[in-house]
Amino acid sequence: AQRVTQPEKLLSVFKGAPVELKCNYSYSGSPELFWYVQYSRQRLQLLLRHISRESIKGFTADLNKGETSFHLKKPFAQEEDSAMYYCALTGDDKIIFGKGTRLHILP
Amino acid sequence: GAGVSQSPSNKVTEKGKDVELRCDPISGHTALYWYRQSLGQGLEFLIYFQGNSAPDKSGLPSDRFSAERTGGSVSTLTIQRTQQEDSAVYLCASSSPTGFDGYTFGSGTRLTVV
Repeated sequence: AQRVTQPEKLLSVFKGAPVELKCNYSYSGSPELFWYVQYSRQRLQLLLRHISRESIKGFTADLNKGETSFHLKKPFAQEEDSAMYYCALTGDDKIIFGKGTRLHILP
Repeated sequence: GAGVSQSPSNKVTEKGKDVELRCDPISGHTALYWYRQSLGQGLEFLIYFQGNSAPDKSGLPSDRFSAERTGGSVSTLTIQRTQQEDSAVYLCASSSPTGFDGYTFGSGTRLTVV
């Protein structure tokens, strides 16, 4: 079955500490993976996608096909990173979102 | 219901025809969003409903697109005179008024215009 799993519903991290938001997927083909972010009172927006291999706002995510993971990482958390983060997968038929992880940066 | 329900799950239509896509959000969720995703692209925001406020239509790509939300619940996205570039997956999502618990997404409608 196609599935995106974000095991943490809430993640609290101190400012300046490293951040890792976990995402694991299950898909039989070659998926495209995305991270989306929703800041408070704003709409959902694309953060990054694996095919771009880019760093956005200090975040990176590497697709690990062996572990079927696409974890989102940032070396030093900032208060403005507090938001809801969604991992998503697109395949042949549909888009599948994880349930999201709320990242709370502690001062 | 327990989740956001969208229908139909797949729709194939001829160019020039009108289509209606339906979204049934989670009961009690006052916020409702429509997005679409074209092949290889990220999500594109279309329209946002929040309670009784005027909807945010800033993402609708042309005047062929419109959406309604009746009684603060079910929403219908209508595309008139469909074009091939309208082919995409149309996603609906709903959230509570605060949005604190995040979005719940429907499974989407795959629209193919031939």
